[in-house]
Amino acid sequence: DVKVTQSSRYLVKRTGEKVFLECVQDMDHENMFWYRQDPGLGLRLIYFSYDVKMKEKGDIPEGYSVSREKKERFSLILESASTNQTSMYLCASSFTDGYTFGSGTRLTVV
Amino acid sequence: QKEVEQNSGPLSVPEGAIASLNCTYSDRGSQSFFWYRQYSGKSPELIMSIYSNGDKEDGRFTAQLNKASQYVSLLIRDSQPSDSATYLCAVNMIGNQFYFGTGTSLTVIP
Repeated sequence: DVKVTQSSRYLVKRTGEKVFLECVQDMDHENMFWYRQDPGLGLRLIYFSYDVKMKEKGDIPEGYSVSREKKERFSLILESASTNQTSMYLCASSFTDGYTFGSGTRLTVV
Repeated sequence: QKEVEQNSGPLSVPEGAIASLNCTYSDRGSQSFFWYRQYSGKSPELIMSIYSNGDKEDGRFTAQLNKASQYVSLLIRDSQPSDSATYLCAVNMIGNQFYFGTGTSLTVIP
């Protein structure tokens, strides 16, 4: 089974901090994605990547950036955390038959 | 605008009954359709995929697809309390990028 590992389950950060969320997959998938999930809004795509050093903006990229230096690792960066970025962040990896999600990081910005 | 619509519920069914979850999508060219189950506080897990018109059965789950009507559904037979979760419909509209509905909350009453 594909395993997608997110480095932190819970994070609390202060407003203005730079935040790094790490995601690693172990199945050599080319496609990786970052979503945030908020009540009533569902899953919203932040950024995605189809290859190393490649990135594409999703529906809500503002305030975020990403890095993909190695095929297995896709990092989400909050340049200057704000309270409206408090959310559940989900990383996903895919080949052709659906996504596999990581366990999620619940980020609280205070 | 790429859209995936689901009735948010909550949907309540008695134990042993059939639960019916519905989803419509906007992109007529969509080819791949998925159902995910998400327990509270957990990440989504893939339970069914369907690519062709008609029915696909897997144990107590049946996915139904009607591309002409742009409609996909999930039937859960002999519903169990452990089926209580939020069910997300996902549609592959552009390459390997999926669009998600906001989910239907299902409660199975013992």
